[in-house]
Amino acid sequence: AQKITQTQPGMFVQEKEAVTLDCTYDTSDPSYGLFWYKQPSSGEMIFLIYQGSYDQQNATEGRYSLNFQKARKSANLVISASQLGDSAMYFCAMREKEDTGRRALTFGSGTRLQVQP
Amino acid sequence: DAGVTQSPTHLIKTRGQHVTLRCSPISGHKSVSWYQQVLGQGPQFIFQYYEKEERGRGNFPDRFSARQFPNYSSELNVNALLLGDSALYLCASSLYAGAPYEQYFGPGTRLTVT
Repeated sequence: AQKITQTQPGMFVQEKEAVTLDCTYDTSDPSYGLFWYKQPSSGEMIFLIYQGSYDQQNATEGRYSLNFQKARKSANLVISASQLGDSAMYFCAMREKEDTGRRALTFGSGTRLQVQP
Repeated sequence: DAGVTQSPTHLIKTRGQHVTLRCSPISGHKSVSWYQQVLGQGPQFIFQYYEKEERGRGNFPDRFSARQFPNYSSELNVNALLLGDSALYLCASSLYAGAPYEQYFGPGTRLTVT
């Protein structure tokens, strides 16, 4: 079974509008972390935001927020006030056994976001 | 502060050859992980190293090997290259355990096997 599912291969959003990128995950481990990365055409994976499974509040980093719904096993990324520079691939990833030194990430298949002027 | 650095940025090899990719982690980070990203897919975990020891291995054949040096830099080696090894190889660094949990990637090495 897929551990990370991103059901939106591509998304369009108008500049200055908000957009939500969906991510669902599957794990039986109580200690895990959820990540979102941005990958522009240059190829570098840019870390955006992190949410730990024990965190009580949704993570926020500037224009990025993570809508964490633990019971539904979803970790959607919300980008507010989209900018043209936000056009890129976005990957959701999970890391299990967060309370150990294990650092292996499992990635979803990604969502290509295009911001239109 | 310098981020994760990788070298070379691009290289072209022929089937059957051997390749070595290099990675230097962020200063203070002692754990290095390697990922393979085939075109159109998300990255796949290959190895994690900490203090020169392998701490995790993904589902890759024995042709793939790695090592970590005392300065925490790392090398990924791939023997007997196949066309299917063509990919972007990404290195990520992080603390080994404990917060902060963020994991940062380098710019990658794009390998083309012909």
